[in-house]
This record gives sequence, structure tokens and C-alpha cells, in this order.
Amino acid sequence: GQQVMQIPQYQHVQEGEDFTTYCNSSTTLSNIQWYKQRPGGHPVFLIQLVKSGEVKKQKRLTFQFGEAKKNSSLHITATQTTDVGTYFCAGPSNQAGTALIFGKGTTLSVSS
Amino acid sequence: DAGITQSPRYKITETGRQVTLMCHQTWSHSYMFWYRQDLGHGLRLIYYSAAADITDKGEVPDGYVVSRSKTENFPLTLESATRSQTSVYFCASSVTGNTEAFFGQGTRLTVV
Repeated sequence: GQQVMQIPQYQHVQEGEDFTTYCNSSTTLSNIQWYKQRPGGHPVFLIQLVKSGEVKKQKRLTFQFGEAKKNSSLHITATQTTDVGTYFCAGPSNQAGTALIFGKGTTLSVSS
Repeated sequence: DAGITQSPRYKITETGRQVTLMCHQTWSHSYMFWYRQDLGHGLRLIYYSAAADITDKGEVPDGYVVSRSKTENFPLTLESATRSQTSVYFCASSVTGNTEAFFGQGTRLTVV
């Protein structure tokens, strides 16, 4: 069945270091979304990418959608303690066509 | 501006009991979803609904029942709770099925 995989599962960085999480889908996606979940919180939408090769930036966060629309990445420049949390990628489900399938997430911890 | 609310936030129940988790949204979004979140598994889709009286199974529907008589409500019922259903349950809604999803605060359910 369709799978959305994320690596790494966990990442610990020192404040100020960069961080990247990668998302790979077993199928081509019409769009890919990224969500952030703070510890004890709920997932919150960050961004959606639609076009092949698309790159979007939100302050220190850079999101990319691969040319084949099967992979994506989230890069955070100069991490801060406020970046702590779990980052999920998600794409439209092939099984449940009108729902999202999520990757397992990358949990980021930051020490100051 | 309540958005999407879940109740209860925490629930402890005994094996074999029936329990219902409530979800209410104020946006009149057509689509609503139930996910469960377990360590190491990320977010897994249980059921989803495209509109009132239209529901469909997700990835892990066994042991769960849903209904949607009104657009704004999407309750999830565990007919006979099992320990394996101990989890954090998130309800979400969206305008279309596979774009930005808005999550509730979650219900932490423990089955003893």
C-alpha cells in the first residue's frame, strides 16, 4: 500500500545549528503538506506545495517539493528552542482519496 | 471562535466498555477525519467523512464506529474498548479532503 516515509525519526541539535527532515512517498503526490506538532499539542498546518520543484520559504524554514513529486524536505536554518516539536509531512491518500496520509514524523529537540 | 473542539480531553475507561469521543467544528467544513496517534506510528486515519451521512473507512477502522448526522459533528465510538485502543485521538476538518487540515486539541484515551 501507499507509504509516506520520513527520516530521521529523531534529531537533536544545538541551538543555532541547521536541521533538515526528508519525506518520501511511494507514489506521486498531487500536493504535499507539512505540519508541526509541539509537545503535548496538536498538529498545525505549516504549508502546502503543489508544483514540481517548488520551493517556499517561511522565515527560517525552507520547503521543497521534488521534481518527481514523490519527495519533499523541510530545512530550518539556525534552529531556536521554539522550533522544538514533531514535523510531519502529509499527502493525499490513494486509498482514502479525500483524506491525508501522514508520515511518522521527525521529532526535533534543541538544546541551548 | 472555537474552531474545532474535542471532548473529553482525557478519558480512562475499562476494557469492554463503550466510549464515545466527540468532535465539533464551527467552520461548516465538508470533510472531517479521525486519526489516532501512537508512538512510532505517527498519525493513522481511522474514519473520514465527506459530508453529512457520508462516511468511509481509513487505514485502521476495526473496533470503531462513526456517524455524521450533522455537518458540524463527527463522533467516534469504540464499541467495546480494548487496551490496544489506548491512544491519542485527533479529530480534524478541512474544506476539501486533501488540503489543509485543522486539528482539534486531541483526546487522550486510556483503556485499562
